[in-house]
Amino acid sequence: GQQLNQSPQSMFIQEGEDVSMNCTSSSIFNTWLWYKQDPGEGPVLLIALYKAGELTSNGRLTAQFGITRKDSFLNISASIPSDVGIYFCAGQGNTGNQFYFGTGTSLTVIP
Amino acid sequence: EADIYQTPRYLVIGTGKKITLECSQTMGHDKMYWYQQDPGMELHLIHYSYGVNSTEKGDLSSESTVSRIRTEHFPLTLESARPSHTSQYLCASSESSLSPLFFGQGTRLTVV
Repeated sequence: GQQLNQSPQSMFIQEGEDVSMNCTSSSIFNTWLWYKQDPGEGPVLLIALYKAGELTSNGRLTAQFGITRKDSFLNISASIPSDVGIYFCAGQGNTGNQFYFGTGTSLTVIP
Repeated sequence: EADIYQTPRYLVIGTGKKITLECSQTMGHDKMYWYQQDPGMELHLIHYSYGVNSTEKGDLSSESTVSRIRTEHFPLTLESARPSHTSQYLCASSESSLSPLFFGQGTRLTVV
């Protein structure tokens, strides 16, 4: 199946710093989603993107749908300890059949 | 916020036992999915359903089976559990093809 490359694989940052992560695909996607997953829990939807170039915010989180439709970016501003977790991107192609998930970015915030 | 529930949350079971993981959603979503995830790793689709009496296999081969007799219910069954089945199983649903997935809390399965 389709594989999405997500980077970085892990990040260790100081509280208050900004965070950037991205996801790339070899195929064009029509929808990009960003999720956060805490240990032992299911992923929670953060942001959904449906249009190339779209920039959407959810509090301190901002995500963008890349112009090429093959990538997406997530930024977290002024990180706090509760931002700790694994962030996953997911993309869906024009068949609309299934979402493919990225390999995840593990975020650690040091107080 | 999505209303999708999985039971049990944790299950430790012996090799050879038959198990059923339950998943229910109260949103009337037609599409439902099962993903398998090892700790900290990506999610792999093992089954999906577009509606009642519709089930398909996902990209990751799995010995499990699913059924969709009611819109709100999408159980996953392992006829004979093995240690290689140890993993986290996540159920999700979506309203339509273009809608995002909403996940349950997952079932952590350990086969000893």
